This record gives sequence, structure tokens and C-alpha cells, in this order.
Amino acid sequence: ETGVTQSPTHLIKTRGQQVTLRCSSQSGHNTVSWYQQALGQGPQFIFQYYREEENGRGNFPPRFSGLQFPNYSSELNVNALELDDSALYLCASSAPDGGNYGYTFGSGTRLTVV
Amino acid sequence: SQQGEEDPQALSIQEGENATMNCSYKTSINNLQWYRQNSGRGLVHLILIRSNEREKHSGRLRVTLDTSKKSSSLLITASRAADTASYFCATLKRIQGAQKLVFGQGTRLTINP
Repeated sequence: ETGVTQSPTHLIKTRGQQVTLRCSSQSGHNTVSWYQQALGQGPQFIFQYYREEENGRGNFPPRFSGLQFPNYSSELNVNALELDDSALYLCASSAPDGGNYGYTFGSGTRLTVV
Repeated sequence: SQQGEEDPQALSIQEGENATMNCSYKTSINNLQWYRQNSGRGLVHLILIRSNEREKHSGRLRVTLDTSKKSSSLLITASRAADTASYFCATLKRIQGAQKLVFGQGTRLTINP
């Protein structure tokens, strides 16, 4: 059973640029969620994908967008990067009712915007 | 917005001692989950306790839940250096067609050798 894999592990971007983060879900999991974790804070929900559709979104602007592919892997895209987008981005996979059993998280992508 | 609030924010103990972390939340829940995070990396699911359960054990971990007080505690017995990490409680909240985890700010636990 494979876990959740995220790439890249670290990334440095310039303000105004665009970034794409990738996540492969755990085998058997068809739901992927993305979280943003600022330094010293708990993770904040960005959005969730199920069957290639976004089915829930947190309080993040439209420049945060995502995709889910038929193999359930996912991408998080952020346009027009701002300094405050610097954070650890976490991907979590689960079965559709994963909330009742717990989520499997990847190791995260550390994004630094300069 | 944060649902859970962990207490204390930081805890430093000697190896072999027990560590207790507390979590309070605001709304009714189906379950409460505890996660561990090492050095700002990914979260590891530790234990889930359902709203109709009062106590749950997993190895050296013991979790209690008091729904009347909207609080939970995580006890780590016989702590080890490898337990050094941040610990988060999280509750589920439905948002549109999804379920999201709502985390507190975490307790930073340091085990001193």
C-alpha cells in the first residue's frame, strides 16, 4: 500500500509568478484535499476533489485552483503569487467517507515566495 | 477559523514522563482526530475518537472525549525522544459537498533526554 506523495518538496518563487504542486493519492483513495499551513499555525482547508470535481472549498481566492485526474492524483495551482502564500502545502487523501476514519497526508511542499 | 484550541501551546518534559495535551472545540462533532507533525512535515493520523466514545487507547496513546465540555485530551505515556513533534486535534465540518478537517494551532511537545 503506497502512501501520499507530494512534489516538489521545496520551491522558491517570485511574487507574481504561478506555481503547480502535485499530489498522488494513496492506493484505493479517490478523494483528495489540499491544506495550507502557515508557520506556527494549524492547517487551513483549501479545497477537496472527488471524482475529478471540486466538491468543497474553503476561504481562498479563485487564484487557488486545482485538478484531479482519473487516477485520483491531483494538482494545486496558485496564480499571481503573493508573499503571504509562503507556507507548507499539504495534500490528504481518503475514501469518500474518510472523515469517519482519518486522512492520510503527504509530507508537504514548502513554498517560499520572495 | 480555528475550531479546536490546544493547550498548552508548548510542553517540555523529560524522557520517560507522561505528556498530556488538551483540546477544546466549539460545535457538535461526529468525531475528533489527533495528528502528529514532525519538524513542519506531513501530518500523521494518530487516533480517532467518535462522539459516542469516552476513551480510546492505541499503544502508548490514550485519548479521552468529554462532549458535554467540548474537550478532549491526548496522553502519551512513557515519552520518548522520538515523540518530539507538534500535536494537533481536528474536528470535521461539512462544507458544500465535502468534509474538511478544522485544526487548532497545535501543541509543540519537546522530550528532553
